[in-house]
Amino acid sequence: DTEVTQTPKHLVMGMTNKKSLKCEQHMGHRAMYWYKQKAKKPPELMFVYSYEKLSINESVPSRFSPECPNSSLLNLHLHALQPEDSALYLCASSQVEGSGSYEQYFGPGTRLTVT
Amino acid sequence: AQKITQTQPGMFVQEKEAVTLDCTYDTSDPSYGLFWYKQPSSGEMIFLIYQGSYDQQNATEGRYSLNFQKARKSANLVISASQLGDSAMYFCAMYSSASKIIFGSGTRLSIRP
Repeated sequence: DTEVTQTPKHLVMGMTNKKSLKCEQHMGHRAMYWYKQKAKKPPELMFVYSYEKLSINESVPSRFSPECPNSSLLNLHLHALQPEDSALYLCASSQVEGSGSYEQYFGPGTRLTVT
Repeated sequence: AQKITQTQPGMFVQEKEAVTLDCTYDTSDPSYGLFWYKQPSSGEMIFLIYQGSYDQQNATEGRYSLNFQKARKSANLVISASQLGDSAMYFCAMYSSASKIIFGSGTRLSIRP
């Protein structure tokens, strides 16, 4: 099973709302990632979790708050977002972090619209 | 500096023809990994093929093959016998020493029936 699931598929939220994106994998992977992708652009890395600990934060604004409750789950908590945060948010996982030998498996993404 | 370059923003190919998508990279690391991903309009990034910097042979996965020319720092994706379902955005990517994958700008492939 090489599946990464993400919920919800679509999300529309106001700038004062608080919402969360959820990502789940059951492949036993110990590295999980959040990416942001704007239209017609490649994905941009936001956060990396390795063995449930935050490993990389790519200078992401604090209105994005990641959480890794266990080795299978990754959340992204959203608060006070701006319209420019509207994008496709992709979650990915790989066996381990820090190796170029392991591909990342991506979920289908959450299309976020901030109004 | 780590860099991935895809010079073809868009390509049109006739169904059943082979197509080559170009990718060049730059890195000073002796050990690296190169990947190709397909992204249909639905948004999901689908892993296609991987090439390690020390691999002696070009990687192949079904209709996909990677033409790896290390000295030229190129890692072109070849799709044989293209199908309508191959229409998508294709990203070349490289694992960098900063423990993250960097992506090229992508090539939008359109298959004509």
